[in-house]
Amino acid sequence: NAGVTQTPKFRILKIGQSMTLQCTQDMNHNYMYWYRQDPGMGLKLIYYSVGAGITDKGEVPNGYNVSRSTTEDFPLRLELAAPSQTSVYFCATGATGGGSNQPQHFGDGTRLSIL
Amino acid sequence: AQTVTQSQPEMSVQEAETVTLSCTYDTSESDYYLFWYKQPPSRQMILVIRQEAYKQQNATENRFSVNFQKAAKSFSLKISDSQLGDAAMYFCALRTGANSKLTFGKGITLSVRP
Repeated sequence: NAGVTQTPKFRILKIGQSMTLQCTQDMNHNYMYWYRQDPGMGLKLIYYSVGAGITDKGEVPNGYNVSRSTTEDFPLRLELAAPSQTSVYFCATGATGGGSNQPQHFGDGTRLSIL
Repeated sequence: AQTVTQSQPEMSVQEAETVTLSCTYDTSESDYYLFWYKQPPSRQMILVIRQEAYKQQNATENRFSVNFQKAAKSFSLKISDSQLGDAAMYFCALRTGANSKLTFGKGITLSVRP
């Protein structure tokens, strides 16, 4: 049972390069989220999706794009990498909406360094 | 907007002793959920315990329990019989709204002394 799988686990980028962080889940959850965690800080929401074809901005969306063509996949794209995007990125899923106590399930994270 | 505040950046506890981690939050919504997540050095986010705002009874999971004070908007985590494996960063999180977005505190680093 894989749960939430993120790839790659670690990546170094040069300033101005682009890349896609992959997130795939096998739990058939409708809700998916991307967070970033800066050193010594909590997680901040970048983008989220409540189902295939629907995405919306979170707290810190600038410099990122997402798409949700299937229930399983929710990739996060950095178009022009900047040093401020050095962070650990977490993908998470949730089964239902606000009226539930079910927690979000997290992937193991992607550590991204931009030099 | 929702906020979660963890004012203690670090705490230390002797093995087998009890420690309490503090968390306060703010939201204008009446229906919400609170969570404590543990993040060990492996970076995984592991759910420790959850609390529904409409429940008066404090949640308990084995050695972990919460003190939920709704009027004070306080949600502290008590770890009893602390073990070396409890050493980690702990995050308090608030979930509101139909989209189930989580708002996290900055976290607290807990060390356990043998």
